[in-house]
Amino acid sequence: GAVVSQHPSWVICKSGTSVKIECRSLDFQATTMFWYRQFPKQSLMLMATSNEGSKATYEQGVEKDKFLINHASLTLSTLTVTSAHPEDSSFYICSASTSSYEQYFGPGTRLTVT
Amino acid sequence: EDQVTQSPEALRLQEGESSSLNCSYTVSGLRGLFWYRQDPGKGPEFLFTLYSAGEEKEKERLKATLTKKESFLHITAPKPEDSATYLCAALSGGYNKLIFGAGTRLAVHP
Repeated sequence: GAVVSQHPSWVICKSGTSVKIECRSLDFQATTMFWYRQFPKQSLMLMATSNEGSKATYEQGVEKDKFLINHASLTLSTLTVTSAHPEDSSFYICSASTSSYEQYFGPGTRLTVT
Repeated sequence: EDQVTQSPEALRLQEGESSSLNCSYTVSGLRGLFWYRQDPGKGPEFLFTLYSAGEEKEKERLKATLTKKESFLHITAPKPEDSATYLCAALSGGYNKLIFGAGTRLAVHP
């Protein structure tokens, strides 16, 4: 149980284009979903927290107009990187949480912006 | 400021050589201490949650313990497949978000 999927697993896009990443909880309903990014050999950095039907709460320093988060249902959240630039290249990971506070992570999406 | 510190940064063990990873935390009103395993290029895999000092949990060769200031992940007779980065994270009372340590990169050699 507690499986979280992400799609796509990797994506290459050109600078200036937008990319959407999906995060789904497959066998449970997630009250909250989180988006992280991770640079090589570094730990996870929280970008934003979202609850179904509510606006996402962004961490300090994260541009909400650049990283659009939509939490459409209790099993789906999307992250759209708008007008991507090479510095946005990273490993993006989502997680989903139930009321017990345990977070279950997706497999991650490798974004490369050329 | 809430903070989680893991040590050592990297650890190399021979197969069968038991050891412990440390996670020190300074958070207000700890609501949970979490351990994850992360393999290269993958998302973290949930291992344990500990909620109160004195609590212990075990899974195969891993055992997690918690005190009021730190948590330990004990690895007994490790195998090469235990090689991974182990992440510790704390959930503070003030925020519904995990504060992650930098991780310990474990390499187990045959």
